[in-house]
Amino acid sequence: EVQLVESGGGLVQPGGSLRLSCAASGFGFSGYWMSWVRQAPGKGLEWVANIKQDGSEKYYVDSVKGRFTISRDNAKNLLWLQMNSLRADDTADTAVYYCVRGWGLDVWGQGTTVTVSS
Amino acid sequence: DVVMTQSPLSLPVTLGQPASISCRSSQSLVSSDGNTYLTWLQQRPGQSPRRLIYKVSNRESGVPDRFSGSGSGTDFTLKISRVEAEDVGVYYCMQSTHRPLTFGGGTNVEIK
Repeated sequence: EVQLVESGGGLVQPGGSLRLSCAASGFGFSGYWMSWVRQAPGKGLEWVANIKQDGSEKYYVDSVKGRFTISRDNAKNLLWLQMNSLRADDTADTAVYYCVRGWGLDVWGQGTTVTVSS
Repeated sequence: DVVMTQSPLSLPVTLGQPASISCRSSQSLVSSDGNTYLTWLQQRPGQSPRRLIYKVSNRESGVPDRFSGSGSGTDFTLKISRVEAEDVGVYYCMQSTHRPLTFGGGTNVEIK
């Protein structure tokens, strides 16, 4: 069974850091682009970042550039999102963060919740 | 960035009746490879999103054939031929032709 399982979410103070993980199973992880997509409470979907199969290309939404870093380990079938300088203002980072397969977003994890609050 | 505009925002539907959701993009979604990367996602209450349709009109495996996608260029439509109770949720269109990947604001399908 194709599966993506996120972990690492939690409550963090503004300016703090958090590292999200995504464990992939049931498919050839190294053959796919991987993405992070987030959903603020009661809001729609926002693409955050994605990474090429070999990690050589990475793209980010403008609001997280310089603060978030996407990475992967193909040997361990793991995807990460390192989040620094987390915000609780108008461009808040509080959201459910989903690990998603590919550019086409064909397989979604169950999500992990990040809450940025003092 | 490509802006994806969905309508309506909310769609009350009677069980067994058809439903239609529109999605318009601010620029053409035809890629340099000739494909149009327009996707429809369904998010049932309390669940993660699920891909229904990709490349405008291709149904994901396991998706009932009452769901269909159509359109070209900048105008796209998701149709449900006969709405069932399990179809309640929010539907999003998404484009992955251009970076950054962008989503429509969502259409909430509910039963009247």
